[in-house]
Amino acid sequence: AQSVTQLDSQVPVFEEAPVELRCNYSSSVSVYLFWYVQYPNQGLQLLLKYLSGSTLVKGINGFEAEFNKSQTSFHLRKPSVHISDTAEYFCAVTLGPGKLIFGQGTTLQVKP
Amino acid sequence: GAGVSQTPSNKVTEKGKYVELRCDPISGHTALYWYRQSLGQGPEFLIYFQGTGAADDSGLPNDRFFAVRPEGSVSTLKIQRTERGDSAVYLCASSLGTGGRTGELFFGEGSRLTVL
Repeated sequence: AQSVTQLDSQVPVFEEAPVELRCNYSSSVSVYLFWYVQYPNQGLQLLLKYLSGSTLVKGINGFEAEFNKSQTSFHLRKPSVHISDTAEYFCAVTLGPGKLIFGQGTTLQVKP
Repeated sequence: GAGVSQTPSNKVTEKGKYVELRCDPISGHTALYWYRQSLGQGPEFLIYFQGTGAADDSGLPNDRFFAVRPEGSVSTLKIQRTERGDSAVYLCASSLGTGGRTGELFFGEGSRLTVL
């Protein structure tokens, strides 16, 4: 069965510091991988996705993620965070059309 | 509006009551999805509609949960005989036909259900 594990429930970081949010998945088949972000009082929105091709994927707001098949990971990174990046981040894998399996989420807390 | 609209944003009910949650997808999106997000957890898939029909309802937890989309646009999630464990945020999402295949879903802000 496919599953997604986000290794950190909370990540506090100072403004302008780099950040990495970790995500591991398990799957016996090829997968599509995603990161969604949920800002306070807003709906989930797609940050970036890996479908195929280059393993380094760039998304909105300066985020990027790297697909590592051998380590079954899809970690999210940003070289310099802003206060406005404070949000809940979810890693997900797809089982089929619209059927996403989400991790438990990581709260990114950016401090001034 | 331009985004997915969900009503009500908050619903408090008593155990055993019936509840309806409504979702109005983005205009032109043929696919519609319901997810449930419990406190401290990621969203969990409930059901997926392509047009008027439920293409996949494997995530509905039991027969107290039912969803319809009679005209291929607005959808209603119906919960009978609510239980305290049904308390969660119910998320609706929509996508263009192929968007769902590649995971590009557009989510609403959710309906928070509290069962006392």
